[in-house]
Amino acid sequence: ELKVEQNPLFLSMQEGKNYTIYCNYSTTSDRLYWYRQDPGKSLESLFVLLSNGAVKQEGRLMASLDTKARLSTLHITAAVHDLSATYFCAVGGPGGGADGLTFGKGTHLIIQP
Amino acid sequence: DVKVTQSSRYLVKRTGEKVFLECVQDMDHENMFWYRQDPGLGLRLIYFSYDVKMKEKGDIPEGYSVSREKKERFSLILESASTNQTSMYLCASSPDPVGYTFGSGTRLTVV
Repeated sequence: ELKVEQNPLFLSMQEGKNYTIYCNYSTTSDRLYWYRQDPGKSLESLFVLLSNGAVKQEGRLMASLDTKARLSTLHITAAVHDLSATYFCAVGGPGGGADGLTFGKGTHLIIQP
Repeated sequence: DVKVTQSSRYLVKRTGEKVFLECVQDMDHENMFWYRQDPGLGLRLIYFSYDVKMKEKGDIPEGYSVSREKKERFSLILESASTNQTSMYLCASSPDPVGYTFGSGTRLTVV
């Protein structure tokens, strides 16, 4: 059974600081997703990582994937208040996209001025 | 842009009622999914479908069923709603491993 663990689950940080959210998963997968969710809203896709060593960046967010360590990270650089949200990582099963994703419990991120 | 539309944003139903949650996507995707989201638990997969009339159980199918009579529509059915099914329900569709798109969600309260 695929398990996905995120940490931390809650993070309060100040604007301008850097921080990293970690996502560990228990079985082999070559598909790792990061989503953002604002309160009361649906999930917004941030990154899709499909190979070992993949790194993607968008603005102040950068995601990476190490399939050998079964670890992905979401790094926040010089945080700003607008990045406050809940961030989820999700891992794909062996069905190549047809069998759904297994999600972590989410990291609730608050960025204070 | 792909659109995944869930017919109701909020629903309040009574215990024991049969409840239908509807999801429609407009991009001819083969794969469709139903998740529920609860605080502190993340999203959990209830059922998914990779083709018309095909369905597969996800991680928490108990108390739910699904229907997919047309490619664009995937319905989640609560046969006899119970209070522990109060949750946010999210539908998603995907043509391939890259392109999951989520609907805006239905917040269901069972009283």
